[in-house]
Amino acid sequence: GQQLNQSPQSMFIQEGEDVSMNCTSSSIFNTWLWYKQDPGEGPVLLIALYKAGELTSNGRLTAQFGITRKDSFLNISASIPSDVGIYFCAGQAITGTASKLTFGTGTRLQV
Amino acid sequence: NAGVTQTPKFRILKIGQSMTLQCTQDMNHNYMYWYRQDPGMGLKLIYYSVGAGITDKGEVPNGYNVSRSTTEDFPLRLELAAPSQTSVYFCASRWTEYTGELFFGEGSRLTVL
Repeated sequence: GQQLNQSPQSMFIQEGEDVSMNCTSSSIFNTWLWYKQDPGEGPVLLIALYKAGELTSNGRLTAQFGITRKDSFLNISASIPSDVGIYFCAGQAITGTASKLTFGTGTRLQV
Repeated sequence: NAGVTQTPKFRILKIGQSMTLQCTQDMNHNYMYWYRQDPGMGLKLIYYSVGAGITDKGEVPNGYNVSRSTTEDFPLRLELAAPSQTSVYFCASRWTEYTGELFFGEGSRLTVL
């Protein structure tokens, strides 16, 4: 099955640093989503993007829906220790009456 | 505020044993999903259901079965467990197919030895 290419795979951060990660696909999506997974927990939705070019913020997090609809970016500003975890992107494609959600391989943030 | 509840959280199985992972949601969501998460591989869809009595295969259904007799419950059954089924399993649900937000359970870590 298709999976999204997410980069970087992992990164070490220092408190106060800005963090950037991205997700790319060979297919276009109607919706892009960013989830965060804390250790021992299930993923939790951070940001949802519904239109190409859309830029949305949630506190220190900012995500963008790429113009080509094949990529998305997530930025975290002024990182703090609780930002540690795994970040997943997910793209949703709607064709006719069916929709399919595809997850990226994750970016692991460590201190 | 229970959301999606999975049991058990941890389980060790011997090769060839069978077991059922339970999943219950109290949000009256029509759509429910089972994913497995392997290290560095993201989430892969095993089975999903669009409502009570309706289930369908995802990307990696082999070795698993599901049922959906009620809106709330979506158990995942492993028959003849194999080491390749060692993974973390997540159940998720959402109200409609067209809104992206999935609500996930806390996961069930299964080891097959």
